[in-house]
Amino acid sequence: EAGVTQFPSHSVIEKGQTVTLRCDPISGHDNLYWYRRVMGKEIKFLLHFVKESKQDESGMPNNRFLAERTGGTYSTLKVQPAELEDSGVYFCASSQDRWGYTFGSGTRLTVV
Amino acid sequence: KNEVEQSPQNLTAQEGEFITINCSYSVGISALHWLQQHPGGGIVSLFMLSSGKKKHGRLIATINIQEKHSSLHITASHPRDSAVYICADPMEYGNKLVFGAGTILRVKS
Repeated sequence: EAGVTQFPSHSVIEKGQTVTLRCDPISGHDNLYWYRRVMGKEIKFLLHFVKESKQDESGMPNNRFLAERTGGTYSTLKVQPAELEDSGVYFCASSQDRWGYTFGSGTRLTVV
Repeated sequence: KNEVEQSPQNLTAQEGEFITINCSYSVGISALHWLQQHPGGGIVSLFMLSSGKKKHGRLIATINIQEKHSSLHITASHPRDSAVYICADPMEYGNKLVFGAGTILRVKS
C-alpha cells in the first residue's frame, strides 16, 4: 500500500511569489489533514478535509492560504503571496478512522 | 501554555541506557499518539493508545487516562533511536491532533 505522498519535498521561493504544495493521501482515506511546523514551534493544525469538503479550517492563518481537495482525492495547499513567516515544514496526513493516522514526509518551504 | 506538554525538551543518552519521555495533556479525547521524526525525515506513527500499555520492539508506551499522562520508554537505546519524539492529542471533533513541542533525543555510542 502506498503511503501519503507529498510534493515537492523542498521549495525555495521569493517573498511575494506563489507556491502550491500537493498531498496524495492513502487511497480510500476520507480524512486528509494539513499541519505545519514553523521554526522553533510545535506542529500546528491547519485544516481537515472529509472527502472533498472542508470539515475544519480553523487553523488556516490567513486568506493567503487556499486549500482544495479535488474529487476527494489529492489535495493542494496554495500560498499566495508567500511571506517570510510562511517558512516551515508542511505535513499532510490521512486517516480512514479515528486511530489510523499516516503522515507524509513533509514539504520544507523556505521563503526568502 | 500548550495543551500538550512534553518533557524533557532535549535528552542525551549513552547507548544502552533506558530512556523515558513524558507527555501530559489537558484536552481532547482519552487517547494519545506517539510519533517519531528523524532529521530531515517525515513523521512516523509509533503508537496510538487509549489505555494501559503497548509494546513494539524496544519501545513501550503507557498511558494513564485519569491523570492525562503518557510515557514513552526506549529500552537498550541505540544511536539509530536518535530522533525527535512527539506526542499528539486527538481532539474529539474531527480528530485533529494537538502536538507537543517534541523531545530531541540523541543517543551516543
